[in-house]
Amino acid sequence: DIQMTQSPSTLSASVGDRVTITCRASQSIGSWLAWYQQKPGKAPKLLIYQASSLESGVSSRFSGSGSGTEFTLTISSLQPDDFATYYCQRYHSSSPWTFGQGTKVEI
Amino acid sequence: EVRLVESGGGLVQPGGSLRLSCAASGFTFSSNAMNWVRQAPGRGLEWVSAVSGSGGSTYYADSVKGRFTISRDDSSNTLFLQMNSLRADDTAVYYCAKDQWVGATGLGNYWGQGTLVTVSS
Repeated sequence: DIQMTQSPSTLSASVGDRVTITCRASQSIGSWLAWYQQKPGKAPKLLIYQASSLESGVSSRFSGSGSGTEFTLTISSLQPDDFATYYCQRYHSSSPWTFGQGTKVEI
Repeated sequence: EVRLVESGGGLVQPGGSLRLSCAASGFTFSSNAMNWVRQAPGRGLEWVSAVSGSGGSTYYADSVKGRFTISRDDSSNTLFLQMNSLRADDTAVYYCAKDQWVGATGLGNYWGQGTLVTVSS
């Protein structure tokens, strides 16, 4: 199975900071990579799909890049509402469709 | 507006069974694959199972294969997860998630609020 590894596990940041989270796949997954945001007690929310496509209604502060085995999620200017846990997930080609272990963005 | 509402969670003893339901509205249910994703307390997300829009194809994580069965009833817009031989490590919040396509891909673009399953004696 393809493993997804995120770094860092925890990230301390301040409002206004530019934040970057990395996700690595154990083998090439093309651009079949999604990013989700999850707040405590809430369901995950899709932010980015196909590595760099912004889901409808999601703030343009969020952007994704990468292909193959290395991907990044960037928040251009961190806002108070952005403090949450972020997950990458590979999807599309042959299950299981694994998630990364998560990155908690905290103050 | 897309809405997914899970139900059926609760406390069950090890070795027991439970059937989860997910009532869908706001989209053409038969046109989308559906997924179950779970999250153990304090842990990350784990994709569990998926069913294609036609219902003809099903997919399972190795951790639940042979114990869980996913199904759908397009006449009532409802997704199910039959869980048998439950173990303590199945304890989690279970989310249903609408797939972006009719064929299952694992990508959830809408999620329910989740239902908690606790396996304990």
